Amino acid sequence: ILNVEQSPQSLHVQEGDSTNFTCSFPSSNFYALHWYRWETAKSPEALFVMTLNGDEKKKGRISATLNTKEGYSYLYIKGSQPEDSATYLCAFWGNNNDMRFGAGTRLTVKP
Amino acid sequence: DAGVTQSPTHLIKTRGQQVTLRCSPKSGHDTVSWYQQALGQGPQFIFQYYEEEERQRGNFPDRFSGHQFPNYSSELNVNALLLGDSALYLCASSLAGDNQPQHFGDGTRLSIL
Repeated sequence: ILNVEQSPQSLHVQEGDSTNFTCSFPSSNFYALHWYRWETAKSPEALFVMTLNGDEKKKGRISATLNTKEGYSYLYIKGSQPEDSATYLCAFWGNNNDMRFGAGTRLTVKP
Repeated sequence: DAGVTQSPTHLIKTRGQQVTLRCSPKSGHDTVSWYQQALGQGPQFIFQYYEEEERQRGNFPDRFSGHQFPNYSSELNVNALLLGDSALYLCASSLAGDNQPQHFGDGTRLSIL
């Protein structure tokens, strides 16, 4: 994988559902992976900075895992709420000063 | 404590003109990065400034230049504007170090006619 890819592109879930989505990135020259949450008409907000293979981070109902050997990270949201509706972006930082964002997963949580 | 502030919020220019966008970092941050986000895409990294010097640069032409001032604020300059430069330009600040989370401003929406 040369680019940072996020899937799915968009996701619609019901309030209370748990959901997850994926960020795939180059498995070589990995330095760090960032997750951001971007609500409409606001600026992106940092969720997690992940650096070690096997990292698992949690913030409230949101958690993320990291697999640097195979080049993916999962973001999980437990018991989705309407206020979780946002675009979730991942950003890959490489050892060679390479930095790339994915296109994001747009999550809509219906009440 | 003010976060990252960008100005102006919206701007309309015509092809061939030049534009300057401004960014004030979050208090205590010394590193400023600029991103271009075209419709439907993720932010594309333009460059990063630290200690008043361009430290990293993405795949953008020389028409895109920047500056960082002693107070850590930054400007993004784009010369010879093209229609394809229409985008949301985001500024993000952080502490030095690639594994530091970035704090984003609300962006400047640039439209080229």
